Amino acid sequence: GESVGLHLPTLSVQEGDNSIINCAYSNSASDYFIWYKQESGKGPQFIIDIRSNMDKRQGQRVTVLLNKTVKHLSLQIAATQPGDSAVYFCAERYNQGGKLIFGQGTELSVKP
Amino acid sequence: GAGVSQSPSNKVTEKGKDVELRCDPISGHTALYWYRQSLGQGLEFLIYFQGNSAPDKSGLPSDRFSAERTGGSVSTLTIQRTQQEDSAVYLCASSFSDGDYEQYFGPGTRLTVT
Repeated sequence: GESVGLHLPTLSVQEGDNSIINCAYSNSASDYFIWYKQESGKGPQFIIDIRSNMDKRQGQRVTVLLNKTVKHLSLQIAATQPGDSAVYFCAERYNQGGKLIFGQGTELSVKP
Repeated sequence: GAGVSQSPSNKVTEKGKDVELRCDPISGHTALYWYRQSLGQGLEFLIYFQGNSAPDKSGLPSDRFSAERTGGSVSTLTIQRTQQEDSAVYLCASSFSDGDYEQYFGPGTRLTVT
């Protein structure tokens, strides 16, 4: 049968600009959230995490914001570089243990 | 040290055949996870092992899927009587323990069922 390609949301930014990638998570009981970066042909790579008792956490060039009221997570990348081009996934955990539920992903494209 | 390794990197099989996918976690990591990623999709949880506890199998899509972890280290994911919808990248991850610990992912095995 005919196959239909699935298209990820895409964010295109100019090199040096700041990027904001958004994610809506599903479970209000989730207590731990992670952002992953996935380059083509590779497994996901951890970027930054945040626990539900926080609303902001900063890393090197990255900041994660958590709004539990509207179940929204965002990843801000400062001074975006061509090497940041990848697909970015948010993930949540809501039943202890280590099982993660991943979002659909956003493709970030950085134009030099 | 070495990261998570998976083999084979690519597997093409005929519909109806059984396949085994292997994962070697990072040494010392007690938690091991399997996920599936279909084209253009996010990761779908399949199963995870933590130490000697019973595995969390809640994500396995059917009884054709099973996984073992021998000696608390290497894991094998087995898919019996493969179907075309099983075609995906199968990713393994390990972490120091379950809970709030970073999961380190392997490069995945790309499975194509013809």
